[in-house]
Amino acid sequence: DGGITQSPKYLFRKEGQNVTLSCEQNLNHDAMYWYRQDPGQGLRLIYYSQIVNDFQKGDIAEGYSVSREKKESFPLTVTSAQKNPTAFYLCASSMGLVERQPQHFGDGTRLSIL
Amino acid sequence: QQQVKQSPQSLIVQKGGISIINCAYENTAFDYFPWYQQFPGKGPALLIAIRPDVSEKKEGRFTISFNKSAKQFSLHIMDSQPGDSATYFCAASNGNAGNMLTFGGGTRLMVKP
Repeated sequence: DGGITQSPKYLFRKEGQNVTLSCEQNLNHDAMYWYRQDPGQGLRLIYYSQIVNDFQKGDIAEGYSVSREKKESFPLTVTSAQKNPTAFYLCASSMGLVERQPQHFGDGTRLSIL
Repeated sequence: QQQVKQSPQSLIVQKGGISIINCAYENTAFDYFPWYQQFPGKGPALLIAIRPDVSEKKEGRFTISFNKSAKQFSLHIMDSQPGDSATYFCAASNGNAGNMLTFGGGTRLMVKP
């Protein structure tokens, strides 16, 4: 089955630690996205990538970093500079950034501070 | 700046009733309006979407109504079922500026048996 796999499902971060969230898709989609979801709030865009080796900042990129070395993978690193990292992180992909292609989501990673 | 405002934040409906969720947007360049359904611990899933060249779109028990002049759109769930209990998000995008979605704040729907 095609889909988006996020891992781990739960992640704990210590003070001053960087953590990396994994996102893998086998949908052959060009575009990938990372969103942050806080309780009772909508999704906010962190980073997005249209193509391999290219990515752009979203609305709340500070304290986060990404890479896109392979079409299938778009890992997100939450750095120690992100002072309020506790949230539900969602990865999504779409066929592209044009023609209003629907975004497909993974099942998320819940990040908490120890 | 929240460009898509969603209401209500929470909604309780009896089984068989109609659930109505409303969204309003500010950016007149938006031209694609999807609705997503999210169950606890899961990612959102596309439910139904509409473009502004039509005023209504229906898929099964789910209907989107769109009012371009008022810059508002709404989701109606007919014959609501307990299995519909989830969080619903409206969203909007500008097709001429990429496929970037701006989401509303979400509505937590509970359908009582």
